Amino acid sequence: AQKITQTQPGMFVQEKEAVTLDCTYDTSDPSYGLFWYKQPSSGEMIFLIYQGSYDQQNATEGRYSLNFQKARKSANLVISASQLGDSAMYFCAMREGRNTGNQFYFGTGTSLTVIP
Amino acid sequence: DSGVTQTPKHLITATGQRVTLRCSPRSGDLSVYWYQQSLDQGLQFLIQYYNGEERAKGNILERFSAQQFPDLHSELNLSSLELGDSALYFCASSSQAGVKNTQYFGPGTRLTVL
Repeated sequence: AQKITQTQPGMFVQEKEAVTLDCTYDTSDPSYGLFWYKQPSSGEMIFLIYQGSYDQQNATEGRYSLNFQKARKSANLVISASQLGDSAMYFCAMREGRNTGNQFYFGTGTSLTVIP
Repeated sequence: DSGVTQTPKHLITATGQRVTLRCSPRSGDLSVYWYQQSLDQGLQFLIQYYNGEERAKGNILERFSAQQFPDLHSELNLSSLELGDSALYFCASSSQAGVKNTQYFGPGTRLTVL
């Protein structure tokens, strides 16, 4: 089974609107971390936001928030007030606590296009 | 700027050749990770080093090898290159092991094998 699933290959959003990018995960480890990265066309991977499995509140970082629903094993990224510079690929990733290497499992990504 | 540096930025070579990709982690980070990003395989974890020791191995081919030096920089060696090795290779670093330790990525090395 896939550890991380991103079911939206591409998304469009109007500038200044909010958009939700979906991510579901699969793990039996009670301790894990969830991450979102942005990859613009220039190629670099930019860390956006982190959510721990034991965190009681949803993570927020500026215009980014993570809608964490533990029972549903989902960790959706919400971008508020979209800007043209938000157009990029977005990757959801997970790290499990028992994984001694602490490698990341990445989803296949969602391409977001912000329309002026 | 994540603080992770990778050289070279671009590399063009021929099949059968050998190349070395270099990574310097963020100051203070002990862990280095290597990833391969290709169009058909997505982001694949290759290998991790922690303070000079190999910590975890992912989908790394036998033709590929890596090491982390005492100054914590790391090199990824790719040999007997094939067309399918053309990809973006990322290095990432984190301060230590642990669930919440974020990996910060370098700008990547784009390898083209002709």
